[in-house]
Amino acid sequence: TQLLEQSPQFLSIQEGENLTVYCNSSSVFSSLQWYRQEPGEGPVLLVTVVTGGEVKKLKRLTFQFGDARKDSSLHITAAQPGDTGLYLCAGRNTGKLIFGQGTTLQVKP
Amino acid sequence: NAGVMQNPRHLVRRRGQEARLRCSPMKGHSHVYWYRQLPEEGLKFMVYLQKENIIDESGMPKERFSAEFPKEGPSILRIQQVVRGDSAAYFCASSPLAGETGELFFGEGSRLTVL
Repeated sequence: TQLLEQSPQFLSIQEGENLTVYCNSSSVFSSLQWYRQEPGEGPVLLVTVVTGGEVKKLKRLTFQFGDARKDSSLHITAAQPGDTGLYLCAGRNTGKLIFGQGTTLQVKP
Repeated sequence: NAGVMQNPRHLVRRRGQEARLRCSPMKGHSHVYWYRQLPEEGLKFMVYLQKENIIDESGMPKERFSAEFPKEGPSILRIQQVVRGDSAAYFCASSPLAGETGELFFGEGSRLTVL
């Protein structure tokens, strides 16, 4: 069974701080995706990383895929209250998408 | 282009009743996935379907749960004889491709409460 472990599970920070969320697995994934989910809504894709060592930037968000394609990280610079939400990493193999347990981020003004 | 449509958004059932959750994928998408989510937790994979076929149902309990995606009409997740532990948000997602990097487009979920 492929498992994705996210850490931390909960994070409460002040506006302007930086943070990093980690997604780790003992299995190799052909790709990893990061989704963001707001209360009462479905997850929305932020990014897909495919190549080991790949780094992708989306404004203040930086995503990295580990060299061995077993782990990924999401770094947010100068967090804003609008970044508040549940961040989910997901790995796909043999068709289905498996999600980590999520990181709940709260950014206080 | 309408997104993934799920209904009902909220459903209340008493123990022992049946719950039917419907999902209309985005236009042109032939792959449908059902996930279950408890508050502040990740999504647990239940079942992956293509039109008229169940591709992977490894995450779905063998008893009381069934899913279908007919040639015409929405995908249906059916839960028979519901119990309190079935209370959760059920999300449907669709994609146009079966490839390894395809994005999943999620609906807004159906929240089932079992009294």
